[in-house]
Order: sequence, then C-alpha cells, then structure tokens
Amino acid sequence: AQSVTQLDSQVPVFEEAPVELRCNYSSSVSVYLFWYVQYPNQGLQLLLKYLSGSTLVKGINGFEAEFNKSQTSFHLRKPSVHISDTAEYFCAVSRNTGTASKLTFGTGTRLQVTL
Amino acid sequence: NAGVMQNPRHLVRRRGQEARLRCSPMKGHSHVYWYRQLPEEGLKFMVYLQKENIIDESGMPKERFSAEFPKEGPSILRIQQVVRGDSAAYFCASSGQGPYEQYFGPGTRLTVT
Repeated sequence: AQSVTQLDSQVPVFEEAPVELRCNYSSSVSVYLFWYVQYPNQGLQLLLKYLSGSTLVKGINGFEAEFNKSQTSFHLRKPSVHISDTAEYFCAVSRNTGTASKLTFGTGTRLQVTL
Repeated sequence: NAGVMQNPRHLVRRRGQEARLRCSPMKGHSHVYWYRQLPEEGLKFMVYLQKENIIDESGMPKERFSAEFPKEGPSILRIQQVVRGDSAAYFCASSGQGPYEQYFGPGTRLTVT
C-alpha cells in the first residue's frame, strides 16, 4: 500500500515570494508521482508528474518539483508566486506497474497568497 | 476535445433516497475512477472501472454503494438509501491506456438533508 504525507495544511506567503510545498510518500513498490491543484468548487488540474527519467520536472504555471528517492520526497516549488496561485494543492502517487492504477492522495496544502 | 463531464453538478437528496452520479470520460479514454472528497479532507479512491468491468473496488463502502461502466453510455455511481454522512464531493477521473495521468471532472456535490 502507498501513503502520502503533506505536513503543511496551510502555507501563507506574500506575492512574488518563493514557496515550497512539501510531500513525502511511503510505498513498498516503485511509484509515479503527481501534483494537482484545486481551485474553489472545481475539479483537480494536473500541475506536473514524475514517471521516470530526470528527477526535476517542470509543470504548468511556473511550478516545478524534484523527486528524491532516498528521502521519498516530491516537493513542489515556485520561485515567485502570484495571487492567482491561491488554491489547494494535492500530492498523489500511483503504483509504478506500467498500467493504469488508482491514485493515493495526501490531505492537501492550502496555499494562501497575499499582497 | 471535451474534458471529463459529470452531472449533475449539484444534487440534493433526502435521507433514504437514491443518488445517481454520472461520468462521461474524455474521448478515447477507457479507464474511469471515482473518488470522494469529504469536507476539509483529501480525495479518497473508491472504484476503478473499465468498460463492463470493475477492476478495483477496494475503496467502496461494502453497503449501499455500487458502480458500473456499461459498454454504451456514461459510468454511474449509485448510492442507495443515502445518509447525511454521504454528503461530499464526488469526482470522476479518466485516463488512457498505460500509466498516464488522470483527468478529473468538475465533480458532483451531493448534499443529504
């Protein structure tokens, strides 16, 4: 079984400041890793994914994440946030089996960007 | 290219009634997943289906909940005899063949009164 831990339930940050949202996972098998964003009363939108290859992955809206296998982490970063980045961010994993499988989500981190 | 469609977007049911939630996957996608999001919580996996087959139902409550994905038409999540604890947002996602990302619909917000 897999589990995902997002230690920070809320992260307040000023506009144009950098931000890091932390994600750690636990799994007995290899995993794929994802970050999704959810705006109020909407569905989830994929920000970025790690399937294999380079451990630094770049996504939409200027976000990037780094896969660290030894620390079982997949932290999300953005060098300069905007007010419009205010949303809920979810880290998720699925089993690396080469086939489709369910996602296991963390509890989410609410990013609050203020002026 | 239409995304994942869910209807209704909002559903109000009285305790004891049945709720039917519909999901049409993205064009070309044959894998459908249902997730539930309780207030202030993350998404919890419920069931994974392919056409006419349930692949993984490890997250489905044992009673009152069922899901199907028929050969023709949308996937249906059915909740019988709803209770207040069923109030949540239910999200459907779809994916193509292989370990690709899942695309989510806008969700159905179920309120049980």
